[in-house]
Amino acid sequence: QSALTQPPSVSGSPGQSVTISCTGTSSDVGSYNYVSWYQQPPGTAPKLMIYEVSNRPSGVPDRFSGSKSGNTASLTISGLQAEDEADYYCSSYTSSSSWVFGGGTKLTVL
Amino acid sequence: QVQLVESGGGVVQPGRSLRLSCAASGFTFSNYDMHWVRQAPGKGLEWVSVIWYDGSNKYYADSVKGRFTISRDNSKNTLFLQVNSLRAEDTAVYYCARRYDTSAYSVDYWGQGTLVTVSS
Repeated sequence: QSALTQPPSVSGSPGQSVTISCTGTSSDVGSYNYVSWYQQPPGTAPKLMIYEVSNRPSGVPDRFSGSKSGNTASLTISGLQAEDEADYYCSSYTSSSSWVFGGGTKLTVL
Repeated sequence: QVQLVESGGGVVQPGRSLRLSCAASGFTFSNYDMHWVRQAPGKGLEWVSVIWYDGSNKYYADSVKGRFTISRDNSKNTLFLQVNSLRAEDTAVYYCARRYDTSAYSVDYWGQGTLVTVSS
């Protein structure tokens, strides 16, 4: 159950797009379309942004999109806004009937 | 509205035990799988455990297997996490979280967390 690999930080200017990667293995990301993405502003509980690789819960702006190729999933945020500044975590279901999170990525809006 | 309220955290010496609770309201608790997720100070999220809606199945992260036990009381709308043989590396905010309605593989509602500090 090693943590999924995410870049520690990404940044972008308002209006730009950024992509956060999430690399796992054939025992998790590569085997299941059960990747989720969570947004966590400082001092708050996480919020679900993407489920099952590419689906958005009601109320999540369509600026947020998800995809997957092989063992790597990605979250893309287009039209960056200041309010998007937060930590982002991916998670995946695993072959051990467990879940694993990524190490988290800090998004800075310049 | 959905509410999850954790309690039971505190400062505890290495090797000791605690019982964390999560009181649920605003939804039919007995219909939902429930998770515990923890976050060490300044660190990332770590999945800890899940229990199915009826308590029939329970799964744990390798890091806590054999030391932590998840359980629930559907008659009292409460989720529990018994944490034994605590180590310094168990220091974290412990969140309970509810399975998302639309997907069994995500969580949507989280509590505010309860802080467990393991220190001598």
